[in-house]
Amino acid sequence: TQLLEQSPQFLSIQEGENLTVYCNSSSVFSSLQWYRQEPGEGPVLLVTVVTGGEVKKLKRLTFQFGDARKDSSLHITAAQPGDTGLYLCAGATAGGTSYGKLTFGQGTILTVHP
Amino acid sequence: NAGVTQTPKFRILKIGQSMTLQCAQDMNHNYMYWYRQDPGMGLKLIYYSVGAGITDKGEVPNGYNVSRSTTEDFPLRLELAAPSQTSVYFCASSGGLAETGELFFGEGSRLTVL
Repeated sequence: TQLLEQSPQFLSIQEGENLTVYCNSSSVFSSLQWYRQEPGEGPVLLVTVVTGGEVKKLKRLTFQFGDARKDSSLHITAAQPGDTGLYLCAGATAGGTSYGKLTFGQGTILTVHP
Repeated sequence: NAGVTQTPKFRILKIGQSMTLQCAQDMNHNYMYWYRQDPGMGLKLIYYSVGAGITDKGEVPNGYNVSRSTTEDFPLRLELAAPSQTSVYFCASSGGLAETGELFFGEGSRLTVL
């Protein structure tokens, strides 16, 4: 069973602060996705990273895929209250019986206070 | 745009009762999934389907059953409900390569078993 460990599990910060969320595994993934979920709604995709060492930026959010494709990080610069939510990483493997199935981390609950 | 539609949004069951969670998507996606989300546990895959007539077990299939008679619909059946099945259930679909494609989630169905 592949596991994805997210840290921290909870993060409470003030508006304007920077933060980083980590997603680590001992398994190699063909790609890794980050989702954001608001209360009462389903997760919504933020980004997919597929190449080891890849860095993608989405406005104030920076996503990085580890060189060995076993870990990823999400960095938010100058956090805003609108960034509040549950952030989930999800890893995918290709081929075999794992094809098409994502393994999700347990999530990071981020609260940004005005 | 409807996307992925789940019904019901809320349901309370007594131990031993059965019910079906409905899921429909209007994006002509081949891949469909059922996940359950427990507090602090992320998303666990229950069942998935790669096309009409094809289903397979995920990580936590016990106590559930699915069918996929059409591309659009992917109902999840709970037989003999147990308190351990109290959770939020999410249906999702994907149209591209499942290992890199975006998952589109419904809004979730909150089930309580008493």
